[in-house]
Amino acid sequence: AQSVTQLDSQVPVFEEAPVELRCNYSSSVSVYLFWYVQYPNQGLQLLLKYLSGSTLVKGINGFEAEFNKSQTSFHLRKPSVHISDTAEYFCAVSYNNNDMRFGAGTRLTVKP
Amino acid sequence: DAGVTQSPTHLIKTRGQHVTLRCSPISGHKSVSWYQQVLGQGPQFIFQYYEKEERGRGNFPDRFSARQFPNYSSELNVNALLLGDSALYLCASSFGTGTTNEKLFFGSGTQLSVL
Repeated sequence: AQSVTQLDSQVPVFEEAPVELRCNYSSSVSVYLFWYVQYPNQGLQLLLKYLSGSTLVKGINGFEAEFNKSQTSFHLRKPSVHISDTAEYFCAVSYNNNDMRFGAGTRLTVKP
Repeated sequence: DAGVTQSPTHLIKTRGQHVTLRCSPISGHKSVSWYQQVLGQGPQFIFQYYEKEERGRGNFPDRFSARQFPNYSSELNVNALLLGDSALYLCASSFGTGTTNEKLFFGSGTQLSVL
């Protein structure tokens, strides 16, 4: 079965520290990969996406992610987080149809 | 330009009732998708419409239905509400056919509570 797993439900970090949010997927076919962020009481906003080409993808707000086909992973990273990065982060996968599968989310809490 | 707008923002219903949720896409966007987000989980795909035709359907019962109008706005209907239907319902629009390599623009959602 095709699925998305976000390995950490909550990630607390201090301001200016680096962070990595982990995402693994299962698929036997080519996929498109996405990271979305959801701030409180708001809809989801696209951070970045991988369709093809370079495996290192840069997104908005200083985030980047690396596609690793052999490990079926698409981990999200930021070298230095800010208080304003506190939000829920969702990894998503699509399988070239009209069905996008989201992970359960990772709550990133940045502490001063 | 306005983003994706959804109405109402909050709704309280009782079991067995019917509900209609509405979504207006970004101007120029022709594709609308609906997602259900239960508290503590990621969004689950319900439907996708493009040019008034259903292009995709998730694993939801027939109590869930939707349609898209000529102005590309959309309605999601849920009949015979169950307690488990309580969730945030998100609408997303995109410009093209809504194929899954496109960027989705999400509304802020309708919070449905079924009592």
